[in-house]
Amino acid sequence: AQKITQTQPGMFVQEKEAVTLDCTYDTSDPSYGLFWYKQPSSGEMIFLIYQGSYDQQNATEGRYSLNFQKARKSANLVISASQLGDSAMYFCAMREEFGVDSSYKLIFGSGTRLLVRP
Amino acid sequence: GAVVSQHPSWVICKSGTSVKIECRSLDFQATTMFWYRQFPKQSLMLMATSNEGSKATYEQGVEKDKFLINHASLTLSTLTVTSAHPEDSSFYICSAPIIWDTYGYTFGSGTRLTVV
Repeated sequence: AQKITQTQPGMFVQEKEAVTLDCTYDTSDPSYGLFWYKQPSSGEMIFLIYQGSYDQQNATEGRYSLNFQKARKSANLVISASQLGDSAMYFCAMREEFGVDSSYKLIFGSGTRLLVRP
Repeated sequence: GAVVSQHPSWVICKSGTSVKIECRSLDFQATTMFWYRQFPKQSLMLMATSNEGSKATYEQGVEKDKFLINHASLTLSTLTVTSAHPEDSSFYICSAPIIWDTYGYTFGSGTRLTVV
């Protein structure tokens, strides 16, 4: 069974500095997708970045980049130039194949709570 | 595009009563809807997957008779918590895959259920 591990329950970062949130995964499926979501205290799920297992380059979206190391099965999120508004829960997730029509379900890691200090 | 509207945002109910949560796709047809539960400061745990016109698929350990899921149309999926107890108090959130989009998922805004 697929599994996602986030080993950092909480992280602090100084405003304007970069921070790396760790994520490792385990799957036997050669085709998979990895996602990062941000969840502020309001509870909404905000999509940040996606990496496909066959993508040759690391994904980037503005201040977010994904350090994808396939052999090590890790997909760490790097947030550059942290802002106060980045304080939130961050979840790593993996798309798992489900059903005969390939309707994929997402499984989530345990999350990392990031607090940005002014 | 690909918006899922979830209602109510929060609800308080008495023990023993039932509560219905709705997730409605506003601008696309959601043939599949995933239902998650999230306890405070914990991860999203998949409860079940609903497919339009067929029975829902429940994850191991989730009581089918307690969490009734209905997906009667391509735009509406509902979760009914029956005979609610305080331990059912949680944040419930739905999500639909977007088959034409690699990034693939849209989420409802969540429902905070408190059972007193």
